[in-house]
Amino acid sequence: QVQLVESGGGVVQPGGSLRLSCAASGFTFSSYGMHWVRQAPGKGLEWVAFIRYDGSNKYYADSVKGRFTISRDNSKNTLYLQMNSLRAEDTAVYYCAKDFIAVAGTVDYWGQGTLVTVSS
Amino acid sequence: DIQLTQSPSFLSASVGDRVTITCRASQGISSYLAWYQQKPGKAPKLLIYAASTLQSGVPSRFSGSGSGTEFTLTISSLQPEDFATYYCQQLNSYPRALTFGGGTKVEIK
Repeated sequence: QVQLVESGGGVVQPGGSLRLSCAASGFTFSSYGMHWVRQAPGKGLEWVAFIRYDGSNKYYADSVKGRFTISRDNSKNTLYLQMNSLRAEDTAVYYCAKDFIAVAGTVDYWGQGTLVTVSS
Repeated sequence: DIQLTQSPSFLSASVGDRVTITCRASQGISSYLAWYQQKPGKAPKLLIYAASTLQSGVPSRFSGSGSGTEFTLTISSLQPEDFATYYCQQLNSYPRALTFGGGTKVEIK
């Protein structure tokens, strides 16, 4: 079965950096686009970034553009999110999510999430 | 960017009730809309895609309808396990700016 397991969250100071990882299994990782979606404490869902199946194109929410970088290693079945210049408003649970091949842009599987706290 | 407005933001209902949640888009998005259910402390779960297609394994009491700018998610007979927060998501902007609605929390009356 599809499994997405995020890691790398934690507490970081404003202006700092963090790299999230998402280990994928149970499907052919190299065939699917992947997303990062976040959720601030007590708030709704916010799409963060998307990467095509082969890493050829990457797209970002305006709120993170220029600070976050999505990448993938298909040989390791792993998705990444490099987060730089972190701000308090980046505090959230970050979910790794698999794109639904039937309707691109829809998410059919989600990881359990990893919490990032930006605080001094 | 396309904005999605869900209503109501909070809903109190009883087991067995018929519940309808509305999602309005700031511009036409054809049928490029999905619905998700999220329970506290858990990841969201896909319920409906392409506005009206039920995801595999989702109970048939859930249904979606609409196109253009107005969409609805209906639960025909609310069950105890349905108390959760529901989100719509537009895909018209794919692969950019895949916005979500603000959510509708369904609580027990």
